[in-house]
Amino acid sequence: EAGVVQSPRYKIIEKKQPVAFWCNPISGHNTLYWYRQNLGQGPELLIRYENEEAVDDSQLPKDRFSAERLKGVDSTLKIQPAELGDSAVYLCASSQGTGTDTQYFGPGTRLTVL
Amino acid sequence: AQSVSQHNHHVILSEAASLELGCNYSYGGTVNLFWYVQYPGQHLQLLLKYFSGDPLVKGIKGFEAEFIKSKFSFNLRKPSVQWSDTAEYFCAVNSGGYQKVTFGTGTKLQVIP
Repeated sequence: EAGVVQSPRYKIIEKKQPVAFWCNPISGHNTLYWYRQNLGQGPELLIRYENEEAVDDSQLPKDRFSAERLKGVDSTLKIQPAELGDSAVYLCASSQGTGTDTQYFGPGTRLTVL
Repeated sequence: AQSVSQHNHHVILSEAASLELGCNYSYGGTVNLFWYVQYPGQHLQLLLKYFSGDPLVKGIKGFEAEFIKSKFSFNLRKPSVQWSDTAEYFCAVNSGGYQKVTFGTGTKLQVIP
């Protein structure tokens, strides 16, 4: 069974530039999560989707971050414009059902903003 | 709001030593508890989880954790660590009816051969 796929694995951009991350969850998983992990910290939830509906985006900085999950499968997370403080690892995870189900994580995208 | 505390940020042990990593959570109601592990260069993966029933939970690779409700704790244990257990360990909590899983800051374990 293929795991959660994320791309790119690494991204270096200058501040004020846009950036996008892509995630393909495990087949059949209805719930998709985007997390941000700062250095020395645990993952922090940015947004959670159930199918194509964003059911929890309370921690997503909506002035510069946006996300979509068209057709309830793949998802894209975008930052525009990026700031120095956005440097982090962005993790995607998926699960079959609700938040109590085991979450399967992708390898993450390490973003560096210069 | 739910929160998780992991007090040990970095632990160094020799092979065959016993391990106990602390995890405390803040929510007083029904909770679901998890330990995730991230081996060097690999994805975060589930080590074990507690939803209900026997408070002593056994996971993969000889790990176990005990849920002590009165202490709001879910400590991870292993009687004898191996060099291959070198990794970062994250405790996480999901309180009853609240779909969000909150992660602790992680504990880096280094096992010396």
